[in-house]
Amino acid sequence: GDSVTQMEGPVTLSEEAFLTINCTYTATGYPSLFWYVQYPGEGLQLLLKATKADDKGSNKGFEATYRKETTSFHLEKGSVQVSDSAVYFCALSDRRGAQKLVFGQGTRLTINP
Amino acid sequence: GAVVSQHPSWVICKSGTSVKIECRSLDFQATTMFWYRQFPKQSLMLMATSNEGSKATYEQGVEKDKFLINHASLTLSTLTVTSAHPEDSSFYICSARDWTSGEETQYFGPGTRLLVL
Repeated sequence: GDSVTQMEGPVTLSEEAFLTINCTYTATGYPSLFWYVQYPGEGLQLLLKATKADDKGSNKGFEATYRKETTSFHLEKGSVQVSDSAVYFCALSDRRGAQKLVFGQGTRLTINP
Repeated sequence: GAVVSQHPSWVICKSGTSVKIECRSLDFQATTMFWYRQFPKQSLMLMATSNEGSKATYEQGVEKDKFLINHASLTLSTLTVTSAHPEDSSFYICSARDWTSGEETQYFGPGTRLLVL
């Protein structure tokens, strides 16, 4: 079945560092891809999404490009802030049937001042 | 963006009692809502898909008699944990599917933390 694999965390960076969180997927069709962020004690918030190959999703300085050839959707940010500390989930939606979301295991990011 | 609320945000109950969690889409109609369970420091596990006006579809391994789902209107789905036990303690999150932007997006509620004593 469909699956999502994220780089293992936790990831700890200093403020203003460059961030990359790797995400690769396996899917039989052409899924939509998402990054969700979960702040401590809260539910998930949609950070960005891409619905077809070569699309770039972006929001709040974060970017991710849908790479069909490498089946990847890596999350990047040029200069992280302490407020970016959270758990980040990569996910896909298979667009068939109930169009359920399949999540990666999550990557905990901590930014130190 | 679209807003999904959950109530309550926190609940503590005694073993053997039932707990109802509500999930509402506040500014859009959702024919489909999803219920997830999240254990500490783990990813979300889909429990069931809730469809307005019909029976929920449960994922493999999820007891439908234990986790009762009702989707009585286009803005409300409820999850009832029946005869709760300590192993049911978890963070329960719902999401609602929105099509108003022209493409499908799931919006998540803030979650309900359940502690069964």
